[in-house]
Amino acid sequence: AQSVTQLDSHVSVSEGTPVLLRCNYSSSYSPSLFWYVQHPNKGLQLLLKYTSAATLVKGINGFEAEFKKSETSFHLTKPSAHMSDAAEYFCVVSLTGGGNKLTFGTGTQLKVEL
Amino acid sequence: NAGVTQTPKFQVLKTGQSMTLQCAQDMNHNSMYWYRQDPGMGLRLIYYSASEGTTDKGEVPNGYNVSRLNKREFSLRLESAAPSQTSVYFCASLPREAAYYGYTFGSGTRLTVV
Repeated sequence: AQSVTQLDSHVSVSEGTPVLLRCNYSSSYSPSLFWYVQHPNKGLQLLLKYTSAATLVKGINGFEAEFKKSETSFHLTKPSAHMSDAAEYFCVVSLTGGGNKLTFGTGTQLKVEL
Repeated sequence: NAGVTQTPKFQVLKTGQSMTLQCAQDMNHNSMYWYRQDPGMGLRLIYYSASEGTTDKGEVPNGYNVSRLNKREFSLRLESAAPSQTSVYFCASLPREAAYYGYTFGSGTRLTVV
């Protein structure tokens, strides 16, 4: 079975400061991992994905994530937050095969303050 | 360049009424999925179709039925709506090479059952 845990339901940062959204996963096999972002009343947009290539993955809008197998983590970071980053972020794990179903974390709401 | 199209965007139903949520994708993707999103619970898989002609239950299938009409279309039916089915519903699709592309999501259907 696969699962994903987002360690913080809410994160608040000041504009211009670093962002860290934490995610731990559990998977019996080599997983694919994703981060999705959802702005208010919008659909989900893919930020970045890890698929067993480079462990440091760069995504859109300056976000990146590092896959650490020893820690079963896939934390999302950004060096400098912008007001437009305020949204809900989902860490997602997928196993290839078996319908390629995604398992979502419960989400982290990011608030960016002036 | 439509991607995944869901209709309707909003719907209010009375308890016991039935309705069908429509989803269509124009990317020639093999797999299609229906998720529901509830506050604090992330997205949960209702049903999926790994390929045309097949459908399987996900995590929360009770109260729903699906039809994979053809490769493009995957509909979700509520036969007798209940207030517990008030949620935002997302359709998603996936090409065969799942690990390399991630899902494409529709913009969602916001359903309220009163």
